[in-house]
Amino acid sequence: EPEVTQTPSHQVTQMGQEVILRCVPISNHLYFYWYRQILGQKVEFLVSFYNNEISEKSEIFDDQFSVERPDGSNFTLKIRSTKLEDSAMYFCASSGGGHTEAFFGQGTRLTVV
Amino acid sequence: AQSVTQPDIHITVSEGASLELRCNYSYGATPYLFWYVQSPGQGLQLLLKYFSGDTLVQGIKGFEAEFKRSQSSFNLRKPSVHWSDAAEYFCAVAQGTGGGNKLTFGTGTQLKVEL
Repeated sequence: EPEVTQTPSHQVTQMGQEVILRCVPISNHLYFYWYRQILGQKVEFLVSFYNNEISEKSEIFDDQFSVERPDGSNFTLKIRSTKLEDSAMYFCASSGGGHTEAFFGQGTRLTVV
Repeated sequence: AQSVTQPDIHITVSEGASLELRCNYSYGATPYLFWYVQSPGQGLQLLLKYFSGDTLVQGIKGFEAEFKRSQSSFNLRKPSVHWSDAAEYFCAVAQGTGGGNKLTFGTGTQLKVEL
Protein backbone atom coordinates (compact mmCIF):
# COMPACT_ATOMS: atom_id res chain seq x y z
CA GLU A 1 0.00 0.00 0.00
CA PRO A 2 1.42 3.41 -0.87
CA GLU A 3 2.56 5.48 2.05
CA VAL A 4 4.16 8.78 2.95
CA THR A 5 7.66 8.34 4.29
CA GLN A 6 9.60 10.80 6.39
CA THR A 7 13.25 11.00 7.32
CA PRO A 8 14.79 11.17 9.80
CA SER A 9 12.45 9.82 12.46
CA HIS A 10 14.22 11.83 15.13
CA GLN A 11 16.58 14.79 14.84
CA VAL A 12 18.36 16.68 17.56
CA THR A 13 19.83 20.05 16.68
CA GLN A 14 21.36 23.00 18.43
CA MET A 15 19.50 26.26 18.64
CA GLY A 16 20.32 28.49 15.71
CA GLN A 17 21.19 25.63 13.38
CA GLU A 18 19.41 24.92 10.13
CA VAL A 19 17.47 21.69 9.73
CA ILE A 20 15.88 20.04 6.74
CA LEU A 21 13.08 17.55 7.22
CA ARG A 22 12.44 15.24 4.32
CA CYS A 23 9.33 13.58 3.02
CA VAL A 24 8.44 11.37 0.09
CA PRO A 25 4.73 11.81 -0.62
CA ILE A 26 2.58 9.24 -2.35
CA SER A 27 3.63 9.30 -5.98
CA ASN A 28 0.43 10.32 -7.76
CA HIS A 29 -0.66 12.87 -5.19
CA LEU A 30 -0.91 16.53 -6.08
CA TYR A 31 -1.10 18.33 -2.74
CA PHE A 32 1.53 18.28 -0.05
CA TYR A 33 1.38 19.53 3.49
CA TRP A 34 3.41 20.04 6.62
CA TYR A 35 1.84 19.96 10.06
CA ARG A 36 3.41 20.08 13.48
CA GLN A 37 2.43 18.84 16.90
CA ILE A 38 4.10 20.33 19.94
CA LEU A 39 4.21 17.79 22.75
CA GLY A 40 0.82 17.54 24.44
CA GLN A 41 -0.86 19.90 22.01
CA LYS A 42 -2.98 19.52 18.93
CA VAL A 43 -1.79 19.05 15.38
CA GLU A 44 -1.39 22.41 13.63
CA PHE A 45 -1.31 23.20 9.94
CA LEU A 46 1.88 24.84 8.68
CA VAL A 47 1.76 24.96 4.92
CA SER A 48 0.25 23.42 1.80
CA PHE A 49 1.98 23.11 -1.55
CA TYR A 50 0.50 22.58 -4.98
CA ASN A 51 1.83 22.93 -8.50
CA ASN A 52 5.28 23.82 -7.22
CA GLU A 53 4.22 26.69 -5.05
CA ILE A 54 2.79 27.39 -1.63
CA SER A 55 -1.00 27.44 -1.81
CA GLU A 56 -1.64 28.34 1.81
CA LYS A 57 0.37 28.91 4.96
CA SER A 58 -0.42 29.55 8.58
CA GLU A 59 0.85 32.37 10.78
CA ILE A 60 3.31 29.88 12.27
CA PHE A 61 5.03 29.53 8.90
CA ASP A 62 7.18 32.65 9.07
CA ASP A 63 10.33 33.59 7.19
CA GLN A 64 12.34 31.00 9.09
CA PHE A 65 10.44 28.25 7.29
CA SER A 66 10.58 27.22 3.68
CA VAL A 67 9.40 24.28 1.61
CA GLU A 68 10.68 22.81 -1.57
CA ARG A 69 10.02 19.97 -3.96
CA PRO A 70 13.50 19.70 -5.40
CA ASP A 71 13.27 16.67 -7.62
CA GLY A 72 9.65 15.68 -8.23
CA SER A 73 9.59 13.09 -5.49
CA ASN A 74 10.91 14.65 -2.29
CA PHE A 75 9.17 17.38 -0.35
CA THR A 76 11.26 19.19 2.23
CA LEU A 77 10.71 21.56 5.11
CA LYS A 78 13.62 23.78 6.06
CA ILE A 79 13.90 25.70 9.28
CA ARG A 80 16.64 28.23 8.81
CA SER A 81 17.59 29.06 12.38
CA THR A 82 15.95 26.77 14.88
CA LYS A 83 14.54 27.98 18.18
CA LEU A 84 13.73 25.99 21.29
CA GLU A 85 10.02 26.42 20.56
CA ASP A 86 10.44 24.66 17.21
CA SER A 87 10.78 21.40 19.10
CA ALA A 88 7.83 19.32 17.96
CA MET A 89 6.73 16.38 15.87
CA TYR A 90 6.53 17.40 12.24
CA PHE A 91 4.17 15.51 9.98
CA CYS A 92 4.21 15.47 6.22
CA ALA A 93 1.00 14.62 4.39
CA SER A 94 -0.16 14.32 0.81
CA SER A 95 -3.51 14.09 -0.92
CA GLY A 96 -4.86 13.66 -4.39
CA GLY A 97 -6.99 16.79 -4.10
CA GLY A 98 -10.75 17.00 -4.51
CA HIS A 99 -12.73 14.55 -2.43
CA THR A 100 -9.74 12.70 -1.08
CA GLU A 101 -8.21 12.41 2.30
CA ALA A 102 -4.72 13.32 3.38
CA PHE A 103 -2.29 10.53 4.17
CA PHE A 104 0.24 11.25 6.88
CA GLY A 105 3.76 10.09 7.38
CA GLN A 106 5.08 8.74 10.65
CA GLY A 107 6.54 12.08 11.59
CA THR A 108 9.95 13.52 12.44
CA ARG A 109 10.51 14.38 16.06
CA LEU A 110 12.65 17.53 16.15
CA THR A 111 14.37 18.39 19.38
CA VAL A 112 16.12 21.75 19.61
CA VAL A 113 18.62 22.02 22.45
CA ALA B 1 -12.50 30.42 10.62
CA GLN B 2 -13.16 26.75 11.03
CA SER B 3 -12.62 25.11 14.42
CA VAL B 4 -13.05 21.73 16.06
CA THR B 5 -13.89 21.00 19.67
CA GLN B 6 -13.31 17.70 21.37
CA PRO B 7 -14.70 18.25 24.86
CA ASP B 8 -13.27 15.10 26.41
CA ILE B 9 -9.52 15.18 26.97
CA HIS B 10 -9.35 11.72 28.54
CA ILE B 11 -11.79 8.81 28.43
CA THR B 12 -11.43 5.44 30.12
CA VAL B 13 -13.58 2.49 29.14
CA SER B 14 -13.52 -1.20 29.95
CA GLU B 15 -12.64 -3.65 27.23
CA GLY B 16 -15.84 -4.80 25.55
CA ALA B 17 -17.75 -1.68 26.49
CA SER B 18 -19.15 0.73 23.93
CA LEU B 19 -17.40 3.98 23.11
CA GLU B 20 -18.47 7.40 21.92
CA LEU B 21 -16.00 10.22 21.36
CA ARG B 22 -17.50 13.63 20.85
CA CYS B 23 -16.59 16.14 18.17
CA ASN B 24 -18.20 19.47 17.36
CA TYR B 25 -17.12 21.67 14.51
CA SER B 26 -17.64 25.23 13.45
CA TYR B 27 -17.62 25.90 9.76
CA GLY B 28 -19.86 27.98 7.54
CA ALA B 29 -20.16 25.72 4.54
CA THR B 30 -20.42 21.98 4.05
CA PRO B 31 -17.51 20.48 5.91
CA TYR B 32 -15.34 17.53 5.12
CA LEU B 33 -14.93 15.65 8.39
CA PHE B 34 -12.37 13.12 9.50
CA TRP B 35 -11.33 11.02 12.45
CA TYR B 36 -7.65 10.10 12.80
CA VAL B 37 -6.02 7.87 15.39
CA GLN B 38 -2.49 8.25 16.74
CA SER B 39 -0.82 5.47 18.68
CA PRO B 40 2.15 6.41 20.88
CA GLY B 41 5.11 7.48 18.78
CA GLN B 42 3.21 6.86 15.59
CA GLY B 43 1.78 8.97 12.81
CA LEU B 44 -1.84 9.75 12.11
CA GLN B 45 -3.97 7.01 10.65
CA LEU B 46 -7.29 7.78 9.03
CA LEU B 47 -10.20 5.96 10.65
CA LEU B 48 -13.02 7.37 8.54
CA LYS B 49 -14.19 10.37 6.60
CA TYR B 50 -17.37 12.17 5.65
CA PHE B 51 -17.67 14.16 2.45
CA SER B 52 -21.34 13.89 1.52
CA GLY B 53 -24.22 11.44 1.26
CA ASP B 54 -25.09 8.96 3.99
CA THR B 55 -24.54 10.66 7.32
CA LEU B 56 -23.49 7.43 9.03
CA VAL B 57 -20.06 6.44 7.82
CA GLN B 58 -18.16 3.26 8.50
CA GLY B 59 -14.46 3.16 9.00
CA ILE B 60 -11.65 0.78 9.76
CA LYS B 61 -11.28 -1.25 12.94
CA GLY B 62 -15.04 -1.34 13.53
CA PHE B 63 -15.46 2.40 14.04
CA GLU B 64 -18.33 4.47 12.74
CA ALA B 65 -19.29 8.13 12.95
CA GLU B 66 -22.47 10.07 12.39
CA PHE B 67 -22.64 13.53 10.88
CA LYS B 68 -25.40 15.63 12.41
CA ARG B 69 -25.62 18.98 10.71
CA SER B 70 -28.21 20.35 13.15
CA GLN B 71 -25.84 19.72 16.06
CA SER B 72 -22.60 20.47 14.16
CA SER B 73 -21.32 17.15 15.43
CA PHE B 74 -19.40 14.18 14.10
CA ASN B 75 -19.16 11.75 16.99
CA LEU B 76 -17.10 8.59 16.73
CA ARG B 77 -18.53 5.32 18.03
CA LYS B 78 -17.53 1.72 18.48
CA PRO B 79 -19.87 -0.90 19.93
CA SER B 80 -17.18 -2.98 21.65
CA VAL B 81 -13.75 -1.59 22.46
CA HIS B 82 -10.60 -3.70 22.28
CA TRP B 83 -7.47 -3.11 24.35
CA SER B 84 -5.60 -2.26 21.16
CA ASP B 85 -7.89 0.75 20.63
CA ALA B 86 -6.04 2.64 23.36
CA ALA B 87 -4.63 5.69 21.55
CA GLU B 88 -5.29 9.34 20.93
CA TYR B 89 -8.14 10.23 18.62
CA PHE B 90 -8.33 13.43 16.62
CA CYS B 91 -11.33 14.88 14.87
CA ALA B 92 -10.57 17.19 11.96
CA VAL B 93 -12.42 19.39 9.53
CA ALA B 94 -11.37 20.54 6.07
CA GLN B 95 -12.64 23.20 3.77
CA GLY B 96 -14.88 21.70 1.15
CA THR B 97 -13.29 23.54 -1.73
CA GLY B 98 -12.51 20.56 -3.87
CA GLY B 99 -8.87 21.45 -3.92
CA GLY B 100 -6.24 20.65 -1.38
CA ASN B 101 -7.83 20.14 1.99
CA LYS B 102 -6.11 21.96 4.81
CA LEU B 103 -7.11 20.24 8.03
CA THR B 104 -8.04 21.88 11.30
CA PHE B 105 -7.69 19.43 14.17
CA GLY B 106 -9.31 19.21 17.54
CA THR B 107 -7.20 18.90 20.67
CA GLY B 108 -7.65 15.15 20.75
CA THR B 109 -9.16 12.62 23.14
CA GLN B 110 -6.87 10.16 24.90
CA LEU B 111 -8.56 6.78 25.19
CA LYS B 112 -7.53 4.36 27.89
CA VAL B 113 -8.89 0.82 27.87
CA GLU B 114 -9.11 -1.12 31.11
CA LEU B 115 -8.83 -4.88 30.89
